[in-house]
Amino acid sequence: QSGLTQPPSVSAAPGQKVTISCSGSSANIGDKFVSWYQQLPGTAPKVLIYDNNKRPSGIPDRFSGSKSGTSATLGITGLQTGDEADYYCGTWDNKLSSWVFGGGTKLTVL
Amino acid sequence: QVQLVQSGAEMKKPGSSVKVSCKASGGAFTNYIVSWVRQAPGQGLEWMGRIIPIFGKPNYAQKFQDRVTITADDSTSTAYMELRSLRSEDTAVYYCARGPMRCETASCYLHYFDYWGQGSLVTVSS
Repeated sequence: QSGLTQPPSVSAAPGQKVTISCSGSSANIGDKFVSWYQQLPGTAPKVLIYDNNKRPSGIPDRFSGSKSGTSATLGITGLQTGDEADYYCGTWDNKLSSWVFGGGTKLTVL
Repeated sequence: QVQLVQSGAEMKKPGSSVKVSCKASGGAFTNYIVSWVRQAPGQGLEWMGRIIPIFGKPNYAQKFQDRVTITADDSTSTAYMELRSLRSEDTAVYYCARGPMRCETASCYLHYFDYWGQGSLVTVSS
């Protein structure tokens, strides 16, 4: 079953900015809204971004999202050690009639 | 505050079945979609299927079509996921997750996940 494509890992220093990419197709990202989830070690995922670029209440504006064509990007500025986590993109896939996730990206704050 | 509280960890033998429950607080299922997502040790998130409790009709990922049953009792705000013919590869943390439905011209679909349960570890081992 096809999913979305994310880099396995990214890293940056505290205070810096990092972006995480998420690539899909016209059946998913190209046609539907993208959401992003943060999973801290040993915990359940939590929504960071929905509707491509909206933040739920309580999510700081250091987190941002964007979408262009069949790709989406999560941006995190002012990196903190507490941001070390796995990040997943996700969306609905019309062709599969299923939800699809990216493989996840492990963020390391050096 | 919405809370999804799942049943506890389970140890199962290969070939058996497991049923995991997910109870929502405060009518949190009304007009929402409930999905089940699993995560094998050290692996990513995998969507298994979903149900709209007020309608009761489930929809499964192709991979699990033959082995999973998702049900919901809207009167008690509880959803269930049963996985049959368990094998060692089914060892994972199973999450329930709630999400709003988005409807466009011809169809409605799962929009995103706004709340997650705490997860239930299912270990399959002989």
